[in-house]
Amino acid sequence: QITLKESGPTLVKPTQTLTLTCTFSGFSLSTSGVGVGWIRQPPGKALEWLALIYWDDDKRYSPSLKSRLTITKDTSKNQVVLTMTNMDPVDTATYYCAHRLAIYDVFDIWGQGTMVTVSS
Amino acid sequence: SYELTQPPSVSVSPGQTARITCSADALPKQYAYWYQQKPGQAPVLVIYKDSERPSGIPERFSGSSSGTTVTLTISGVQAEDEADYYCQSVDSSGTYVFGTGTKVTVL
Repeated sequence: QITLKESGPTLVKPTQTLTLTCTFSGFSLSTSGVGVGWIRQPPGKALEWLALIYWDDDKRYSPSLKSRLTITKDTSKNQVVLTMTNMDPVDTATYYCAHRLAIYDVFDIWGQGTMVTVSS
Repeated sequence: SYELTQPPSVSVSPGQTARITCSADALPKQYAYWYQQKPGQAPVLVIYKDSERPSGIPERFSGSSSGTTVTLTISGVQAEDEADYYCQSVDSSGTYVFGTGTKVTVL
């Protein structure tokens, strides 16, 4: 059974850097084709894809946020970390991590999400 | 940038059929995927590879594709199907894109 859980601060100040951790179980991020992605959703708004890291350490980022994002993995700890610099109130959102299927570009299992508020 | 456009809302009576479209603004169209999201919950995958249904998803959910438009159909809508629905695909550079989202209201 695959599970993922996001953790990190619930409140950050403008200009600070956000660090979120996704801790997962039920799969290995060293299995060919597998990936873990981050998606966010501002209150009342649509889903927005942020980043994805593959089993081979290939990384993909949203073009609009690429300069602010870094995604890394620790296979031994079953964790994926997302950092986002220069946080702004518009970055207030629920942040989800999700498991990417090995053979399709789809997120089949999602974490519960963590709400992050950006405010001074 | 690659965009996926959905109607903001669809209203349907119980037992009727709801159809939600997702239009891509460019070719070639990759496979499309559909997620259901209920208030306060994480999205759940309901259709993958345009028309395949994951295990555990009711048969009333189906998907189809034509040209640059994909459609999610919910046949015999039930009250529990009231939710937001998002399509998703990937562009040629490997960038993941979500649709604008559609709120399905069961009257």
